[in-house]
Amino acid sequence: DVKVTQSSRYLVKRTGEKVFLECVQDMDHENMFWYRQDPGLGLRLIYFSYDVKMKEKGDIPEGYSVSREKKERFSLILESASTNQTSMYLCASSGQGAAKNIQYFGAGTRLSVL
Amino acid sequence: GESVGLHLPTLSVQEGDNSIINCAYSNSASDYFIWYKQESGKGPQFIIDIRSNMDKRQGQRVTVLLNKTVKHLSLQIAATQPGDSAVYFCAENRHYNNNDMRFGAGTRLTVKP
Repeated sequence: DVKVTQSSRYLVKRTGEKVFLECVQDMDHENMFWYRQDPGLGLRLIYFSYDVKMKEKGDIPEGYSVSREKKERFSLILESASTNQTSMYLCASSGQGAAKNIQYFGAGTRLSVL
Repeated sequence: GESVGLHLPTLSVQEGDNSIINCAYSNSASDYFIWYKQESGKGPQFIIDIRSNMDKRQGQRVTVLLNKTVKHLSLQIAATQPGDSAVYFCAENRHYNNNDMRFGAGTRLTVKP
């Protein structure tokens, strides 16, 4: 089974702090994604990556950056956390070919910015 | 059906009944669709998918129906069980071979014993 692991289930940070959310997948997937999930808004794509050191902006990249130094790890960085970044953050990965479309998700990190 | 907004659509069914969850998608060019299930405290989990060259696909206790004319997708769950209680949402992909998935807001299914 594909396993996508997010390092923290819950995080509480203060406004202005730099925040790192870590995600690791164990299936040698090329593609990795970061979403935020807010009530009634569904999943919104922040950034994704097709390969090591490659990144593409999603729909809401403002206030976020990402890092992918190794294939299995994709990090989401909030340079200066703000209260409107309080949300559930979900990491996902997918493979190539026909499996490219099915994204496998981690359990999520619920971030509260005070 | 699903919609973008502050409140999640809800569906409540009796255990053993069949459930139908609806999704209206936005892009007539979308050619691939997935249904995900998200249980409380967990990430979304793949249930079933369908390509636009099909109008029906069946899995174990689940069936997805696609009506491209009205851009409507539905998920049918047979003999609904308490373990089916979750948020269900559909995702559409403009092209089968890329990662441009768009997710709906979801429908919360509650199964009453």
